[in-house]
Amino acid sequence: EVQLVESGGGVVQPGGSLRLSCAVSGLTFSNHWMTWVRQAPGKGLECVANIKEDGSDKYILDSVKGRFTISRDNAKNSLSLHMDSLRAEDAAVYYCATGLDLWAWGQGTPVAVSS
Amino acid sequence: DVVMTQSPLSLPVTLGQPASISCKSSQSLVHSDGTTFLNWFQQRPGQSPRRLLYKVSNRDSGVPDRFSGSGSGTDFTLRISRVEAEDVGVYYCMQHKHWPRTFGQGTKVEI
Repeated sequence: EVQLVESGGGVVQPGGSLRLSCAVSGLTFSNHWMTWVRQAPGKGLECVANIKEDGSDKYILDSVKGRFTISRDNAKNSLSLHMDSLRAEDAAVYYCATGLDLWAWGQGTPVAVSS
Repeated sequence: DVVMTQSPLSLPVTLGQPASISCKSSQSLVHSDGTTFLNWFQQRPGQSPRRLLYKVSNRDSGVPDRFSGSGSGTDFTLRISRVEAEDVGVYYCMQHKHWPRTFGQGTKVEI
């Protein structure tokens, strides 16, 4: 069974930083693109970042480009999202998901941005 | 960016009756190999989203056969043949042909 477990969310002040992690099991992690998706409170879904199997190709949503960095450690079956210069509009539940077609999801980790 | 437009945004349903949701994309979702990159997701209250259908009409493992998908090009439909109580939630279409991947606004299905 595929499992994705996100961690690292919390409350941060505007301008602050957070690093989200996603531990993946039940599949050959290095064979799959991975994706971060976020959902602001009461809102819809938004793909934030994607990373290729070997980390050689990445896509970052324009609104977070230059502030968010996606990375992965295939030896540890782990996906990360480093978020800098956080803004109020970045507050959301952040999910990691498998592939570019999001066939499996984690339970999400909440990020609140507040002074 | 490719805009995904769902309708309706709110769908009152009756148990045992059919329901359908429309999703239209601003650009074709057909790849040069003929594959159409359109998925449907279900998000039950308080839960993470889960994929229901991929490439328009293929059901994921464990998805009841009352869910079906159809469409081509830029026009797609999710159908529930007979709504059950567990189908309450928000349904999203998503395209994964173009960057960035984009979702529809979501359709809230309620009894």
